[in-house]
Amino acid sequence: GQNIDQPTEMTATEGAIVQINCTYQTSGFNGLFWYQQHAGEAPTFLSYNVLDGLEEKGRFSSFLSRSKGYSYLLLKELQMKDSASYLCAVRDSNYQLIWGAGTKLIIKP
Amino acid sequence: IAGITQAPTSQILAAGRRMTLRCTQDMRHNAMYWYRQDLGLGLRLIHYSNTAGTTGKGEVPDGYSVSRANTDDFPLTLASAVPSQTSVYFCASSDGGRATDTQYFGPGTRLTVL
Repeated sequence: GQNIDQPTEMTATEGAIVQINCTYQTSGFNGLFWYQQHAGEAPTFLSYNVLDGLEEKGRFSSFLSRSKGYSYLLLKELQMKDSASYLCAVRDSNYQLIWGAGTKLIIKP
Repeated sequence: IAGITQAPTSQILAAGRRMTLRCTQDMRHNAMYWYRQDLGLGLRLIHYSNTAGTTGKGEVPDGYSVSRANTDDFPLTLASAVPSQTSVYFCASSDGGRATDTQYFGPGTRLTVL
């Protein structure tokens, strides 16, 4: 079966750095996405990785290792507004997105 | 309209009733999707459409039907609602190209079936 694993919840301090991990086992791989979802709202796109390595976009970076079936999302200079769930999704061989359950990130002052 | 709209925002429905959730996008995206999101589970694909006039089944299609008569609209119908269909429903769209093909989401419909 197909599986995406992420930690259920993480806590970090305002101004700090946090890394959210995602491991996957899917039938095929055609890219990995990270989305942010605030409580009661829709998911919004953060990043896309299809090749190994680090993609940096402002305070957010995403890393991919296809050989290890592993990705992480790195959030720097955390702000209170970063409190949200972060969803990892992999596009499989059928070009459908397989979603993790999400990681709830709690930021404390 | 900018992006994707969904209606209604929320609904309480008696079991056995028929219900249609509406979704409209103005981005001229070819592909559209319906997901449900339940606590502790990832988004699960119900149905999708790669282009107007075509539809396909996702991971959890039973009890749901869709149609895609034109590019902009992708309604989801529950023929006879059951309590297990209580969920938050998200519609999404993408341009359907085989590059990044990022999906963009509507605001969701919160459905409660009693």
